[in-house]
Amino acid sequence: EAGVTQFPSHSVIEKGQTVTLRCDPISGHDNLYWYRRVMGKEIKFLLHFVKESKQDESGMPNNRFLAERTGGTYSTLKVQPAELEDSGVYFCASSQGQYQETQYFGPGTRLLVL
Amino acid sequence: QKEVEQDPGPLSVPEGAIVSLNCTYSNSAFQYFMWYRQYSRKGPELLMYTYSSGNKEDGRFTAQVDKSSKYISLFIRDSQPSDSATYLCATTPYSSASKIIFGSGTRLSIRP
Repeated sequence: EAGVTQFPSHSVIEKGQTVTLRCDPISGHDNLYWYRRVMGKEIKFLLHFVKESKQDESGMPNNRFLAERTGGTYSTLKVQPAELEDSGVYFCASSQGQYQETQYFGPGTRLLVL
Repeated sequence: QKEVEQDPGPLSVPEGAIVSLNCTYSNSAFQYFMWYRQYSRKGPELLMYTYSSGNKEDGRFTAQVDKSSKYISLFIRDSQPSDSATYLCATTPYSSASKIIFGSGTRLSIRP
């Protein structure tokens, strides 16, 4: 069974540009999460989808970040315009159920904003 | 104050040693505690979880929670070079059990 996949694995962009990250969850997992780790900090929750609906977006840092999950399958996270402090590793995870269910993480997308 | 505090290490021990990794947490309402392992260039992978105070054992790994002191530990017996990774303690808040709160991770290296 394929795990959570993320694309691209790396992205280098200039400040002010737009970047879109993609996550494909494990097939059949209704719950999809985005997390990120900025340099020297812990991994932090961004948001949680149940199917195509946003269940919890309390971790989204500001309105430059837009997450979508059309059709309840894959998800995209767009950063527009990117700032230097957005550099870090963006992880996606998925789970079958919600509460205290195991979340399976993808390998992450490494984003560098210059 | 961070919700979960973890010594970042790095920690280097010889093969076969017993490893002790520790975290503290701030909120007594946290109910569910986890240890994740993360290899270089990979995502975190759930290693163990526990709901209550006490010990939980899985092979060479033992997770321990002391709710009275808000202390979480992971012990690795007979450590192997393949255990070299970053270990992250984590918990979920009662109000949002889907949202994982991570410690910063401890980088562990097992010397052959």
